[in-house]
Amino acid sequence: GAGVSQTPSNKVTEKGKYVELRCDPISGHTALYWYRQSLGQGPEFLIYFQGTGAADDSGLPNDRFFAVRPEGSVSTLKIQRTERGDSAVYLCASSLTSSRGTGELFFGEGSRLTVL
Amino acid sequence: AQSVTQLDSHVSVSEGTPVLLRCNYSSSYSPSLFWYVQHPNKGLQLLLKYTSAATLVKGINGFEAEFKKSETSFHLTKPSAHMSDAAEYFCVVSEGGYQKVTFGTGTKLQVIP
Repeated sequence: GAGVSQTPSNKVTEKGKYVELRCDPISGHTALYWYRQSLGQGPEFLIYFQGTGAADDSGLPNDRFFAVRPEGSVSTLKIQRTERGDSAVYLCASSLTSSRGTGELFFGEGSRLTVL
Repeated sequence: AQSVTQLDSHVSVSEGTPVLLRCNYSSSYSPSLFWYVQHPNKGLQLLLKYTSAATLVKGINGFEAEFKKSETSFHLTKPSAHMSDAAEYFCVVSEGGYQKVTFGTGTKLQVIP
């Protein structure tokens, strides 16, 4: 597609359940980012992929959060044993990496997760 | 380590008056700097970016920003606010070949008719 696609756009789940959020980046973009945006806050970095590997996962809040990008394109953010505090909009962005690191991020519309 | 500070969480201006949204950054390397806008219930959209070319950068919708290394600032301005400019604005810093990207906490712009 033309832009970054995220599914589902909305997800309501119960505390303790497992959730997967999907991101389909712009074709050819090797860099992929996950951010979390809570109400009234700026996007908070979670994890960054360069190709298939997680180059930086320092933003993942705890071991309930995990993300994969097995073929260097689509990425899935996985949240185990969800808690009410996980409720947020999860944003995915992709970027065409340049050697100077000046790539513009292209964002998807986000996946809004509500944990009841 | 890199960081970005947006000095105002809320800014309110009258339609037709100038807009100033302030941003200061900290970076160990020569940074790239961006401003993104987020309208309610919409995705983030790039307004403009600085990547060490001209220090005065022009973006979409009449916005511009000036990179001032001596002040470590990258303030966003617009000569005349429109109602459609009401949104949240994020200053973003990116550094190095690693491309770690850090967002500021955002500034909500209110435009009063």
